[in-house]
Amino acid sequence: AQKVTQAQTEISVVEKEDVTLDCVYETRDTTYYLFWYKQPPSGELVFLIRRNSFDEQNEISGRYSWNFQKSTSSFNFTITASQVVDSAVYFCALMAESGGSYIPTFGRGTSLIVHP
Amino acid sequence: DAGVIQSPRHEVTEMGQEVTLRCKPISGHDYLFWYRQTMMRGLELLIYFNNNVPIDDSGMPEDRFSAKMPNASFSTLKIQPSEPRDSAVYFCASRSNRNTGELFFGEGSRLTVL
Repeated sequence: AQKVTQAQTEISVVEKEDVTLDCVYETRDTTYYLFWYKQPPSGELVFLIRRNSFDEQNEISGRYSWNFQKSTSSFNFTITASQVVDSAVYFCALMAESGGSYIPTFGRGTSLIVHP
Repeated sequence: DAGVIQSPRHEVTEMGQEVTLRCKPISGHDYLFWYRQTMMRGLELLIYFNNNVPIDDSGMPEDRFSAKMPNASFSTLKIQPSEPRDSAVYFCASRSNRNTGELFFGEGSRLTVL
């Protein structure tokens, strides 16, 4: 069974603060994929990043960075110098093989509110 | 290229009425997913298709829900009869034939059943 836990339901920060969104996953598969999606107030889910289980290298994209640690089954997401436009719900997802197909399981999401 | 297109964006209906939600996936994508999002349950997978064939519908809540994909460019999710507890945002997503790739989501259909 696959499971994704985003323990932080809501985080509130002031603009320019750094913020880390936690994601802990469970799977028995050795091959799996992890994702982050952003859901802004407009409602659509926007893909941010995909990592496979064999690549633990951290990734940085502008103010966004991701820390993948298999030892702790975590795939955390950090926003540096947060901005009001970062306010959104962020979803972590895990995808491992299930019945021959790869189907993503989503966490419950973390609502990030960035105050000016 | 156009993304995943869903219609209607908003639907308000009365209990007992039939509701049909529509989705046009990204051209060339082989997988299509229907998700439901509620505050209580988060994002739930209802059903997914591969090459227009339903593969897993175990997430469909009950017989009132049905989904079809008559061709590669169109899918429907139907609720008949609708109930207030069906109120949610319904998302359609598609994925290429690389079955480990990311999903591309539509903007969602917000359904309110009175």
